[in-house]
Amino acid sequence: EIVLTQSPGTLSLSPGERATLSCRASQSVSSSYLAWYQQKPGQAPRLLIYGASSRATGIPDRFSGSGSGTDFTLTISRLEPEDFAVYYCQQYGSSPQFGQGTKVEIK
Amino acid sequence: EVQLVQSGAEVKKPGESLKISCKGSGYSFTSYWIGWVRQMPGKGLEWMGIIYPGDSDTRYSPSFQGQVTISADKSISTAYLQWSSLKASDTAMYYCARHGTADYDSSEFDYWGQGTLVTVSS
Repeated sequence: EIVLTQSPGTLSLSPGERATLSCRASQSVSSSYLAWYQQKPGQAPRLLIYGASSRATGIPDRFSGSGSGTDFTLTISRLEPEDFAVYYCQQYGSSPQFGQGTKVEIK
Repeated sequence: EVQLVQSGAEVKKPGESLKISCKGSGYSFTSYWIGWVRQMPGKGLEWMGIIYPGDSDTRYSPSFQGQVTISADKSISTAYLQWSSLKASDTAMYYCARHGTADYDSSEFDYWGQGTLVTVSS
C-alpha cells in the first residue's frame, strides 16, 4: 500500500504570496496517477489537478502541479482570499489513497 | 450538467442498518466508475471503494472490505453505500464522487456529491 505524506501540515501565508505544498509517496506512483483537491469548510472537495500536472476544467492558472515518481508539488503562484482552504493529494493507481492534507491559512 | 445528488442526513443507533444513495445525472451513468469517500469529523479523506454501474464490478479499500457494501441500480442511475450493523465509529460525512475518465478504474474524482452526514449514537 502506498502511503502519501503531505507537508507542511499547516502553511501560514498572506494573500498575494506563493504557496508550495508537498506530497511524498512511500513508493513510486504509477503513470503519474496523482491528483490534488481543495476543500473548504462545509463543502465537498473540488478537483484541481490530475495526472500530476493537468489542471481540471475551470481551475485558474495560478494553480499548477508538478512531480513524478514519489515527489509531487502543488504550487499556488499568488494566493487569492478564496484559496485559503485544506488541500489533499491522492494517488489513484494501486489501492488509491489520500494524503492527510495541508491547511493553507491566512497569516 | 453533471450532478451527483446524495440522500439526506441520517441519525441511527448502533447495530442498525443503513443504505445511503447517490443519484447521477447529466452523463452516461453506466460508463463511469463511482466511488465513496469517508470524512470523519475534523479529519481527512479516506477512499472506501468504487463501483462500475455498467456491470456492478466493485473494488474496496482493504480498510473497508467487509465493513460496507457498495452497489448500484443502473435503471435509476443510483449508487449506494450500506451498512448491516452500524457502529459509533461510522459517524462521518460520506461523499460519492465520479471518476474523471469513462470506463477506467484508475482515475481521479472529477465530480462530487454534496455529502451525506451519518451520525451513529445511542
